[in-house]
Amino acid sequence: DVKVTQSSRYLVKRTGEKVFLECVQDMDHENMFWYRQDPGLGLRLIYFSYDVKMKEKGDIPEGYSVSREKKERFSLILESASTNQTSMYLCASSSPTGRIYEQYFGPGTRLTVT
Amino acid sequence: GDSVTQMEGPVTLSEEAFLTINCTYTATGYPSLFWYVQYPGEGLQLLLKATKADDKGSNKGFEATYRKETTSFHLEKGSVQVSDSAVYFCALSSYSSASKIIFGSGTRLSIRP
Repeated sequence: DVKVTQSSRYLVKRTGEKVFLECVQDMDHENMFWYRQDPGLGLRLIYFSYDVKMKEKGDIPEGYSVSREKKERFSLILESASTNQTSMYLCASSSPTGRIYEQYFGPGTRLTVT
Repeated sequence: GDSVTQMEGPVTLSEEAFLTINCTYTATGYPSLFWYVQYPGEGLQLLLKATKADDKGSNKGFEATYRKETTSFHLEKGSVQVSDSAVYFCALSSYSSASKIIFGSGTRLSIRP
């Protein structure tokens, strides 16, 4: 089974802190994704990566950056956390099976910025 | 661009009731369609999928049929259980979206004992 793990289930940080959210997948997937999930807004794509050292902006990249130095690891960075970044953050990975890009999700990190 | 529209929740049903959650999509070409489920406190997991017109995806008693003529992929279950309480997301992946998946806004389902 594909496993996607995230470094923390719950995280509390202060405004202005630099925050790192880590995601690791064990299935050699090329693609990795970061989403945030907020009530009433569904999932919104922050950044994604097709390969090591490759990154693409999603729908809401402002205030975030990412790093992918190894294929299995994709990090989301909040350079200076703000209260409006309080949210659930979900990581996912995928690799095509034929032309199907099924995504596998981690358990999520609930981040609170105070 | 590609999009997914699903019925708004919350949906509350009694145990053993029939469930339908509506989902329609807009996409170029022939997208693959998915239903994901998110149980409380967890990430999303794939519930079922369909890759071409008239395909029926099924899992855990849930079914959805890929209807190209109506651009729909409605989720159904004949008899729901309390353990089905979760948030359900309809989603698609298409040639134009490459490896990205476009998600609907989610429908929260609550089942009363």
